[in-house]
Amino acid sequence: DAKTTQPPSMDCAEGRAANLPCNHSTISGNEYVYWYRQIHSQGPQYIIHGLKNNETNEMASLIITEDRKSSTLILPHATLRDTAVYYCIVNSGYSTLTFGKGTMLLVSP
Amino acid sequence: DGGITQSPKYLFRKEGQNVTLSCEQNLNHDAMYWYRQDPGQGLRLIYYSQIVNDFQKGDIAEGYSVSREKKESFPLTVTSAQKNPTAFYLCASSGGLGGVYNEQFFGPGTRLTVL
Repeated sequence: DAKTTQPPSMDCAEGRAANLPCNHSTISGNEYVYWYRQIHSQGPQYIIHGLKNNETNEMASLIITEDRKSSTLILPHATLRDTAVYYCIVNSGYSTLTFGKGTMLLVSP
Repeated sequence: DGGITQSPKYLFRKEGQNVTLSCEQNLNHDAMYWYRQDPGQGLRLIYYSQIVNDFQKGDIAEGYSVSREKKESFPLTVTSAQKNPTAFYLCASSGGLGGVYNEQFFGPGTRLTVL
């Protein structure tokens, strides 16, 4: 599976959009981009995934660049409860997921 | 209410003892997984199972054992051979291993401390 690069931490003001970047320059054509998040001392939670089109659900939006070498997870109106570690994972879908260290997002009042 | 349960939430054991962590799911998922998480680190895969009576080693299987006798249950035994067992253990399940089935649902975790 392709490797991903994420910033170790980011800050966001409550009510503003949080844009979390992920670089996956070695992604191959059959690999999906998955996003999970983990609130402190809890199990991770699936957020969204995509292949090449942008995706949106009730939690977030996923924007994948045309060359698929990077993506951005957007939380449109961040709340304090969105403070968590966010993991970007690239996977073909036919192997187990690999969770790196992710991005620690701190949402402040 | 569908989901994954893990018990206990906190577990203490003496060095040299085996201990079994419970994981149960009522999501009718075929695949189940065990991860280990150390402070400030990501998750590392210990074992996974795609079907009853079958399981595969993950990246750090040494010192651990599992069984999958029922679809809904995937217990993990931390043996005395595991040199550094103190960690946060997470169980997950998914519909399968492929494409959209990689949406994994996680339990609340068990925090194991070896005294």
